[in-house]
Amino acid sequence: GDSVTQMEGPVTLSEEAFLTINCTYTATGYPSLFWYVQYPGEGLQLLLKATKADDKGSNKGFEATYRKETTSFHLEKGSVQVSDSAVYFCALRVDTGRRALTFGSGTRLQVQP
Amino acid sequence: NAGVTQTPKFQVLKTGQSMTLQCAQDMNHNSMYWYRQDPGMGLRLIYYSASEGTTDKGEVPNGYNVSRLNKREFSLRLESAAPSQTSVYFCATSINRDANYGYTFGSGTRLTVV
Repeated sequence: GDSVTQMEGPVTLSEEAFLTINCTYTATGYPSLFWYVQYPGEGLQLLLKATKADDKGSNKGFEATYRKETTSFHLEKGSVQVSDSAVYFCALRVDTGRRALTFGSGTRLQVQP
Repeated sequence: NAGVTQTPKFQVLKTGQSMTLQCAQDMNHNSMYWYRQDPGMGLRLIYYSASEGTTDKGEVPNGYNVSRLNKREFSLRLESAAPSQTSVYFCATSINRDANYGYTFGSGTRLTVV
């Protein structure tokens, strides 16, 4: 079945450090890929997405590139802020079967001042 | 602009009790979903409704039932709660099943079964 694997957290960084959160996937067909962010006590919010190979999604300084050859969609940010502290979820959706989002287990990011 | 509203926000149940989690949206979205979030497991799909009048099982449907009351409302029912159903429950919506616009999530219901 379809699945998403994320690096385990927590990831602890100092402010202005470079962030990478790894995400790889297994899917039938050609999935669309997403990153969601969850701040404490809230629901998930869409951060960015990419719908086909080599697409780059970007938002709020975060970027991720859809790499079909390595089945990856790693999240990056050049300079993190304390306000980026949250849980980040990688997800995919395929155009067959349920066509609902399948999520990874989430990676907690803690940014220290 | 409320978006997706879930009630209640918190609930404690005793084993064997029943309850219904409510979800309402004012976004005119066709598709609605119920997920549960457990530590280390991400979000898992319980049930979904592709459009008004249809419901289908997700990854972990056992112990749950759903009702798509109308286009706006999608409820999740636990008939006989078990400690394994302690979780945070999220309702989500999308324009339709094929949309790549992403989902809009409610703020969640934290359920504890003792």
